[in-house]
Amino acid sequence: DIQMTQSPSSLSASVGDRVTITCRASQSISSYLNWYQQKPGKAPKLLIYAASSLQSGVPSRFSGSGSGTDFTLTISSLQPEDFATYYCQQSYSTPDTFGPGTKVDIK
Amino acid sequence: QITLKESGPTLVKPTQTLTLTCTFSGFSLSTSGVGVGWIRQPPGKALEWLALIYWNDDKRYSPSLKSRLTITKDTSKNQVVLTMTNMDPVDTATYYCAHQYVDTAMVRLGFDYWGQGTLVTVSS
Repeated sequence: DIQMTQSPSSLSASVGDRVTITCRASQSISSYLNWYQQKPGKAPKLLIYAASSLQSGVPSRFSGSGSGTDFTLTISSLQPEDFATYYCQQSYSTPDTFGPGTKVDIK
Repeated sequence: QITLKESGPTLVKPTQTLTLTCTFSGFSLSTSGVGVGWIRQPPGKALEWLALIYWNDDKRYSPSLKSRLTITKDTSKNQVVLTMTNMDPVDTATYYCAHQYVDTAMVRLGFDYWGQGTLVTVSS
């Protein structure tokens, strides 16, 4: 299985801050990397697919970049509704493993 | 619009077999490029990919659980069924089904629609 790691595991930020979350794969996954947002008690929501493609309906303050083994999710200006846990997922080879998550909370 | 909903028992005993059904609408699992997957999440923990079935009946499983999992589809009923044998308390989790597109290069594009999830507790 391809192992996914994320950093940091948690962060505290203020509304309006620029936030960057990093995801690393244990081997090259080309651009087969997805990002999800999950709020407590809710199903995950797809934000970014194929490393940098914005899912329909997702605000443009979310962006993704990277290829190979290193990827980033950036929130350009954090909004109150963005406080959540974020997961990366590789879809290069099954099982399509998820990262351990990054919790973003209010400073 | 696309919707999915999981159903099944909320409580199972250790060693029993769990059967979960994902009933969906807004798409057909006979359409080229469509897949439905199962993902679970133990309380307070991360997401775990379990299995996936494609429109062409190709099936993929998590290697660590492959011996215990079976995924099937009933296109006429718009359902996908996941069975997991020999349940253990560590299998206590919220189980989700989700929709996925596969593009023409067979690249899986992430799970774009999810069910609400169903919490399954394994306890005697």
